[in-house]
Amino acid sequence: QKEVEQDPGPLSVPEGAIVSLNCTYSNSAFQYFMWYRQYSRKGPELLMYTYSSGNKEDGRFTAQVDKSSKYISLFIRDSQPSDSATYLCAMFDRNSGYSTLTFGKGTMLLVSP
Amino acid sequence: GAVVSQHPSWVICKSGTSVKIECRSLDFQATTMFWYRQFPKQSLMLMATSNEGSKATYEQGVEKDKFLINHASLTLSTLTVTSAHPEDSSFYICSAPWTGVHEQYFGPGTRLTVT
Repeated sequence: QKEVEQDPGPLSVPEGAIVSLNCTYSNSAFQYFMWYRQYSRKGPELLMYTYSSGNKEDGRFTAQVDKSSKYISLFIRDSQPSDSATYLCAMFDRNSGYSTLTFGKGTMLLVSP
Repeated sequence: GAVVSQHPSWVICKSGTSVKIECRSLDFQATTMFWYRQFPKQSLMLMATSNEGSKATYEQGVEKDKFLINHASLTLSTLTVTSAHPEDSSFYICSAPWTGVHEQYFGPGTRLTVT
């Protein structure tokens, strides 16, 4: 079992839809959970991070972490064509150092006008 | 957020030559920077951690003699791919943590093509 699993998609939705992107993981020691957006041929852009369980909201984006299920989600409200990109989740165990930083493969999102 | 730049954005080189990629933190100092490699439709793979004023820490399976890292100042880290081969062709991305690893900012990436 891979440490971080993420459906590669593509996920196609119409403009204005609510998008749900998810990752599952196996390492219960992960404490930080991050979401990045990556446009084609560009470096990833940090959207938000969450520490431990709970929700965090930033504009149209909401991140949720359920540590008991080892499951994290990113919700995008009122999706826009400019949201079309690959979304990467990432996780990190601060107690074990940099090498524990693990990325998912990313989910490609396509928002059609 | 913080800004990290990379240069060049795209480079083509011949097999056997060396290529240097620069990573700069533009508006903050970074004692640590990270170098990643990304193949198409694959996740980011951490290659090494670059430490200002000391040796880099390489991940398992990464050849330190092939991927030379130098972190000479608080705003600049360089990755040199020595004796490049076609299998080294990839997208190389650097990043620098701001408040911590959970909040790191990535450069725009460098696409290396070895012919």
